[in-house]
Amino acid sequence: GAVVSQHPSRVICKSGTSVKIECRSLDFQATTMFWYRQFPKQSLMLMATSNEGSKATYEQGVEKDKFLINHASLTLSTLTVTSAHPEDSSFYICSASVPTAGYTFGSGTRLTVV
Amino acid sequence: GENVEQHPSTLSVQEGDSAVIKCTYSDSASNYFPWYKQELGKRPQLIIDIRSNVGEKKDQRIAVTLNKTAKHFSLHITETQPEDSAVYFCAATAFGNEKLTFGTGTRLTIIP
Repeated sequence: GAVVSQHPSRVICKSGTSVKIECRSLDFQATTMFWYRQFPKQSLMLMATSNEGSKATYEQGVEKDKFLINHASLTLSTLTVTSAHPEDSSFYICSASVPTAGYTFGSGTRLTVV
Repeated sequence: GENVEQHPSTLSVQEGDSAVIKCTYSDSASNYFPWYKQELGKRPQLIIDIRSNVGEKKDQRIAVTLNKTAKHFSLHITETQPEDSAVYFCAATAFGNEKLTFGTGTRLTIIP
């Protein structure tokens, strides 16, 4: 079935640095990738929708200059958390819709900012 | 946009009993309703889904019902087992829109 590979699975970074998270669609072309953030014991909240070759669409309240999304090819979308702070510590997960098959999720990235 | 509410937030049932989780949605254009099981630190796993052209779908011990008029759908798990313990999320979207909106989640605990 359709698989999205997400890396890294865990990352610890210092406050003020940037972190890049990658999601690759392995056996299908993902024209659209959804990026979610999940705080402990909470639901998945959509941050932004990335479309191959165009600018991402951000949800209300999500800072586009802080969470940079790039979707340069049909198989790769990246999320860069810039100038990370402890409050950005969360579980980040990507998802792609698969025609007639629903949605497939990456394995998630646990970001800890110290 | 779509708003999905989910109840209860926590649910404990004796092993072997049934569990029911309910969700309501706001956007009448929504036509796809998946249910996910998520274990700690893992990705959501699809356990069952339903489209708006049917009212009920069943897969072994798991079933989902949909009432389009009332805009609510429910997950039913029968003969619960300890491995059913997890957090369950409902979601809704309108294909074409593609944005999947999640409910707030239900932590299900099966008591042996």
